[in-house]
Amino acid sequence: GENVEQHPSTLSVQEGDSAVIKCTYSDSASNYFPWYKQELGKRPQLIIDIRSNVGEKKDQRIAVTLNKTAKHFSLHITETQPEDSAVYFCAARIFGNEKLTFGTGTRLTIIP
Amino acid sequence: GAVVSQHPSWVICKSGTSVKIECRSLDFQATTMFWYRQFPKQSLMLMATSNEGSKATYEQGVEKDKFLINHASLTLSTLTVTSAHPEDSSFYICSASQDRVGQPQHFGDGTRLSIL
Repeated sequence: GENVEQHPSTLSVQEGDSAVIKCTYSDSASNYFPWYKQELGKRPQLIIDIRSNVGEKKDQRIAVTLNKTAKHFSLHITETQPEDSAVYFCAARIFGNEKLTFGTGTRLTIIP
Repeated sequence: GAVVSQHPSWVICKSGTSVKIECRSLDFQATTMFWYRQFPKQSLMLMATSNEGSKATYEQGVEKDKFLINHASLTLSTLTVTSAHPEDSSFYICSASQDRVGQPQHFGDGTRLSIL
């Protein structure tokens, strides 16, 4: 089955600076990679996703890049704000399978 | 669109009690729903995949008789934790995706279960 690794586990960034979270996956058949943001005690919320036919996707301050050859994908948050503080999870889904395999999460703290 | 409602949000009950959690897709049909368990400061662990009109598919290590799943309609799946014990205390979250290929999963608000 799929295995997803996520780094770092914690990340502190000065407000206004950029944050980068990286994930690697094991199964080359994975073709869908969402990122979720989870605030304490709340539901994971989809913030951006990317499919394997695209190398990069951007939505305002958030971008995701995918390197299929190396089997890794990254979340980039620019001009960070205090409300970006949360736990971020990457995930991967194998083509033809609806299950998501999640990374271990990154606790992002934005320092005012 | 794509709203998933989960109820109740918080349950506190005595050891030995059975607890039922509901997951509803409010504005779309979901042939498949998913049940996750999340311990504090940990990731989401898939427990089972719930399929409308058929038996759920459980992940390895998850007790079928302990965690009963019923998916009676295209908008409702239930998880019943039978004879709950303190070690079953956790945050349980459901998710669903629209019935089209490649749709993202949307999560419910989760249920915090505390067994005394």
